[in-house]
Amino acid sequence: DIQLTQSPSFLSASVGDRVTITCRASQGISSYLAWYQQKPGKAPKLLIYAASTLQSGVPSRFSGSGSGTEFTLTISSLQPEDVATYYCQQLNSYPLTFGGGTKVEIK
Amino acid sequence: EVQLVESGGDLVQPGGSLRLSCAASGFTFSDHCMDWVRQAPGKGLEWIGRIRHKADRYTTEYAASVKGRFIMSRDDSKNSLHLQMNSLRTEDTAVYYCARRVLGSTDSLDYWGQGTLVTVSS
Repeated sequence: DIQLTQSPSFLSASVGDRVTITCRASQGISSYLAWYQQKPGKAPKLLIYAASTLQSGVPSRFSGSGSGTEFTLTISSLQPEDVATYYCQQLNSYPLTFGGGTKVEIK
Repeated sequence: EVQLVESGGDLVQPGGSLRLSCAASGFTFSDHCMDWVRQAPGKGLEWIGRIRHKADRYTTEYAASVKGRFIMSRDDSKNSLHLQMNSLRTEDTAVYYCARRVLGSTDSLDYWGQGTLVTVSS
């Protein structure tokens, strides 16, 4: 199984800060990676697919990059509504797997 | 508007069975592969399985943690997805989400239901 390691597991940043979350895969997954945002008590929401393609309706301050084994999700200017837990998911091979999550809070 | 609505969550004893359903609307259900993802209380997301569409003969994939105990099925005539859970364990306690796989060559889950809570406890 492909393991996904997210870092950090928690981050606290100020409104307007640039925030970067990393997701590392235990083996190469090409660009078969998605990022999701989950707010407390809500279902996950797709932000990015194919490593770098922004899902329709998602604010442009979110971006994704990477291929192979290392990927990043960047929020260019953190907003209060971005408080959430972020998960990466690999869709290269079964079983599909998620990273452990990164909880983002406002400082 | 795409909607996915799960139902069937309940309190069940260890070793028991439960059947979850997911009602889909607002899109051509039969065109899409569908996934189940669960989340234990206070924990992260765990993918548990996928059922493909008719063109791929409704084949399934499962996570090792549920393989042999859980069975996914779908009824395209009723736009519904089901998860039959047998031999339930306390570690199966979670919110269960159904999610739609996007169409096309890229892969991701673009719509999710609100989830249904399954509690396995004596």
